[in-house]
Amino acid sequence: SQELEQSPQSLIVQEGKNLTINCTSSKTLYGLYWYKQKYGEGLIFLMMLQKGGEEKSHEKITAKLDEKKQQSSLHITASQPSHAGIYLCGAMGGYSTLTFGKGTMLLVSP
Amino acid sequence: IAGITQAPTSQILAAGRRMTLRCTQDMRHNAMYWYRQDLGLGLRLIHYSNTAGTTGKGEVPDGYSVSRANTDDFPLTLASAVPSQTSVYFCASSVTGATEAFFGQGTRLTVV
Repeated sequence: SQELEQSPQSLIVQEGKNLTINCTSSKTLYGLYWYKQKYGEGLIFLMMLQKGGEEKSHEKITAKLDEKKQQSSLHITASQPSHAGIYLCGAMGGYSTLTFGKGTMLLVSP
Repeated sequence: IAGITQAPTSQILAAGRRMTLRCTQDMRHNAMYWYRQDLGLGLRLIHYSNTAGTTGKGEVPDGYSVSRANTDDFPLTLASAVPSQTSVYFCASSVTGATEAFFGQGTRLTVV
């Protein structure tokens, strides 16, 4: 079955700083989804990447897909307190449904 | 705009009791899913349904059952709850199994 490993597990950044979260798959990626979760709430869909080399942006969040490396990265520019939360990557797994990484917890300090 | 609704929001349940978590979506999505989220283990798929009338087992199906009598509803039943089923349960839906999923707000279940 497909496994997704996220790194780092958690990080604290100062407001205004940039950061990158990585998601590495054990198998070929045919589509990669990024979600954000605030504590105690459901997951919010951020973006989906389908093709190798594809890059998408939403406000200050940019995600890229590297098919050869079976990896995706999520980059946040000039972080703000509103960016705090848990970021999860997901990909189609063995049940034709989304399999998720364990998440990266982001804290943004003032 | 409702989207996907779960009930109850939270519940404390005595071990051995039967419990049904409700999930309703108004987006006419074909696929629906139940996940549980546990610290250190992430989100794990319990059961799924690709279309009304069909269901399938996910990664951790033991102790749970589901039904999909219509497009909108996908209840999850714990026949006889055990403390290891203490978790946060998320229902999700998607147009098909190959598109992004939309999640409910979750049900926090504590089995004592």
